[in-house]
Amino acid sequence: SQQGEEDPQALSIQEGENATMNCSYKTSINNLQWYRQNSGRGLVHLILIRSNEREKHSGRLRVTLDTSKKSSSLLITASRAADTASYFCATAPTQFYFGTGTSLTVIP
Amino acid sequence: DTGVSQNPRHKITKRGQNVTFRCDPISEHNRLYWYRQTLGQGPEFLTYFQNEAQLEKSRLLSDRFSAERPKGSFSTLEIQRTEQGDSAMYLCASSSELQGEQFFGPGTRLTVL
Repeated sequence: SQQGEEDPQALSIQEGENATMNCSYKTSINNLQWYRQNSGRGLVHLILIRSNEREKHSGRLRVTLDTSKKSSSLLITASRAADTASYFCATAPTQFYFGTGTSLTVIP
Repeated sequence: DTGVSQNPRHKITKRGQNVTFRCDPISEHNRLYWYRQTLGQGPEFLTYFQNEAQLEKSRLLSDRFSAERPKGSFSTLEIQRTEQGDSAMYLCASSSELQGEQFFGPGTRLTVL
């Protein structure tokens, strides 16, 4: 079974709005990573949060991690049409396992 | 371009044929990963190398799949006696041991007729 599971499966918002997606996992982790995949293209690493961190920012991205609930959230603020993509979480040390992703559509 | 490269980008083959894909990781990365991805799904882990050593292999990987990284640099993934169910995008990624973040190549799209 997959380690990371993203929620919701699909999300559609207007440009300028914020987008929040969640990831739940099952076992202890060293870190959790978020990736983006544009249609038909490879995955791009967005951000890594370590198990001893609770929140991390990178540009318009904000990631939180709650190890007690085994969950993480990714917030994209002031969304743009170019943010339209699928977003995946992956966990380390079992960083080999990705969920099915959240498909985000940002409507111009 | 110093990113991860994969060749070929596309491969069409007939059922029963063997295919081989190549991945060239970022040169200073000692970890290399292979994944398979089908439409609407996330990447599915296949196998992982640290330098030339294959350290983990998915239990879902059949004996028809084999991967090598002979000199700890590029890697090859071979699928023998291909089946239609092998049709997918095959992704390669690399990482440095300390960082953990993975850098993905563009993938090889395999179509088995």
